[in-house]
Amino acid sequence: DTAVSQTPKYLVTQMGNDKSIKCEQNLGHDTMYWYKQDSKKFLKIMFSYNNKELIINETVPNRFSPKSPDKAHLNLHINSLELGDSAVYFCASSQAILTWEDRGLGYTFGSGTRLTVV
Amino acid sequence: QKEVEQNSGPLSVPEGAIASLNCTYSDRGSQSFFWYRQYSGKSPELIMFIYSNGDKEDGRFTAQLNKASQYVSLLIRDSQPSDSATYLCAVTGGFKTIFGAGTRLFVKA
Repeated sequence: DTAVSQTPKYLVTQMGNDKSIKCEQNLGHDTMYWYKQDSKKFLKIMFSYNNKELIINETVPNRFSPKSPDKAHLNLHINSLELGDSAVYFCASSQAILTWEDRGLGYTFGSGTRLTVV
Repeated sequence: QKEVEQNSGPLSVPEGAIASLNCTYSDRGSQSFFWYRQYSGKSPELIMFIYSNGDKEDGRFTAQLNKASQYVSLLIRDSQPSDSATYLCAVTGGFKTIFGAGTRLFVKA
């Protein structure tokens, strides 16, 4: 069973289009994330949800809108796609850090969605 | 100023040698420190974490943390060609985890 699954794995689309990426985790984790990894492999946080509540919203264009219908799902919708949006987008999840023992749990990443805007 | 810095490499070591990967961070309030391995075209996978000053060993991997110097490192003993990957340092404080840009490691057979 895949722990964190993202769809689609590849997405090629034209500038100006609107697209969505879906993410689901079956680990029972409370917190989910979207990260963007650019061509230089730099992994940058975009959003984080804890039990459906937005807790991290980094400086990301308004064209990006996350939605978490429940704590097992976190989707990313992108409006008016631009060339600079081309990257690999990773969904991740982690257990909420509720106890001192939780602090080493780290993230479980999905397999990534390679978005190419042409 | 970057919050988590790593030498991008590539770091090239012969098979069987020790590979030493380094990372510095800027936030003194950081609490947990992680090393992830990312093979080309794959997602990052957690290999080590450390939260106390000193060394932590797990198999061929040793993580070292020096909070006074704001420095964390990863040693890979008896390096194998299968260790060739990008190694990402990640630092957590509160809700946020910041990743470094990664160091590419090549282990030559």
